[in-house]
Amino acid sequence: GQNIDQPTEMTATEGAIVQINCTYQTSGFNGLFWYQQHAGEAPTFLSYNVLDGLEEKGRFSSFLSRSKGYSYLLLKELQMKDSASYLCAVSPLRPSGAGSYQLTFGKGTKLSVIP
Amino acid sequence: SAVISQKPSRDICQRGTSLTIQCQVDSQVTMMFWYRQQPGQSLTLIATANQGSEATYESGFVIDKFPISRPNLTFSTLTVSNMSPEDSSIYLCSVVDKGSYNEQFFGPGTRLTVL
Repeated sequence: GQNIDQPTEMTATEGAIVQINCTYQTSGFNGLFWYQQHAGEAPTFLSYNVLDGLEEKGRFSSFLSRSKGYSYLLLKELQMKDSASYLCAVSPLRPSGAGSYQLTFGKGTKLSVIP
Repeated sequence: SAVISQKPSRDICQRGTSLTIQCQVDSQVTMMFWYRQQPGQSLTLIATANQGSEATYESGFVIDKFPISRPNLTFSTLTVSNMSPEDSSIYLCSVVDKGSYNEQFFGPGTRLTVL
C-alpha cells in the first residue's frame, strides 16, 4: 500500500523561510511531486523529484532522499500569497509496470503566512 | 501547458439523481484522470480515462457508480450515479503533459453538493 505523511498545518512570517516535510512509504517509486492549492482552486504544479538531491526553482526548492522515503519543500522570502495548501504526491510503480502517472496524494499542509 | 476546462463548475443535486461532468482539453493528451477531493481532504484518484476502451478504476471505485467516457484525446466525461450526500465533493480531471517532468495539470474542478 501507500502511505504519505505531512504536517497538517504550519504558520510562518512574511519574508521568512519555511520547510514542509513529507515522508512516504510506497510500493515502488517513480517520482515525487509538490503541488500548491489555494482555497477553492485546482492544484498547480510546483516541482518534481525523481533522483536524490535538491531541485531549485526560484523561491521554491524541493529535496528528495529515496533511501529515507523523505522529501521537503522549501519556500524562501515568504509572501502573503504563499498562504495555501501544499500537497505532496508520489507516483508509484504498478506491479504490471504500467500506469506510473497516477498520483497518490498526502493530505496536504495548510500554510498560513502572517505579517 | 495544457488548458483544461470543466463543466459544470458547480451543481446542487438531489439524492438519487445522476450528474455528468465534462472535461475538455485544448490539446491532445495521452493520459487523463479523474480525482475526487472531499471537504477538507486531499485528492483521491478515481480512475484513468482510456481513449477507446473502458476506464481503469482504483480500489473502492466501480464503473456502475462512476461511469467514464473518453471518445477522443481531448475530451472525457465522468458521471456520478445515484448520488448520495457522501458524494458531495470536488471532482477534478487532470492530464499528463509529456514535458520535461511528466507534469500533471488539473482542471478547475466541479463542486458537487448532494442534498
